[in-house]
Amino acid sequence: GAVVSQHPSRVICKSGTSVKIECRSLDFQATTMFWYRQFPKQSLMLMATSNEGSKATYEQGVEKDKFLINHASLTLSTLTVTSAHPEDSSFYICSARDHGVVTEAFFGQGTRLTVV
Amino acid sequence: GQNIDQPTEMTATEGAIVQINCTYQTSGFNGLFWYQQHAGEAPTFLSYNVLDGLEEKGRFSSFLSRSKGYSYLLLKELQMKDSASYLCAVMDSNYQLIWGAGTKLIIKP
Repeated sequence: GAVVSQHPSRVICKSGTSVKIECRSLDFQATTMFWYRQFPKQSLMLMATSNEGSKATYEQGVEKDKFLINHASLTLSTLTVTSAHPEDSSFYICSARDHGVVTEAFFGQGTRLTVV
Repeated sequence: GQNIDQPTEMTATEGAIVQINCTYQTSGFNGLFWYQQHAGEAPTFLSYNVLDGLEEKGRFSSFLSRSKGYSYLLLKELQMKDSASYLCAVMDSNYQLIWGAGTKLIIKP
């Protein structure tokens, strides 16, 4: 299957700082990328959907000014957690959909964010 | 509203067979996915069903009945490495994935 690379895999940051997470599709063009967060023992929660070249669509309850998403190219999307707080500590996962294949999405490795 | 139901946890014995059920109610249907997720890792794709019937892939099989809004994942010859969470997800009419909460499968020797 297609490869999605997410970086970093783990990050620890101080409260009040910002953290950027990158998601790259390595061997296909991803017109749509999805950002999820997952708390321990819970399922994936969709945060936002981003389409290349346009603004992201955020799910209800997700602060767009806190979770900045940029999808500037067909192979890269970034999620920036601004002014991070301990409650933002979570597992963040990106998923990318191949331009020509609507019915399957591929996941990055995930990023474990810990805010201290 | 949209809803995906699957058991929270199941336990099975190494070498045995286990069936994980998933029922769904969604606005439209464009396929059902099963993913495996080990603790601390991202989900990995297992199967995709869009037509009724059974899809077999090695030790894993997935079944779909669209009229019943029902699917199951069947795991045969269980191995210790199969201990993981199994996520059922349905793609709705907008091609958005609706996720179940996942079933934690515990394999005992």
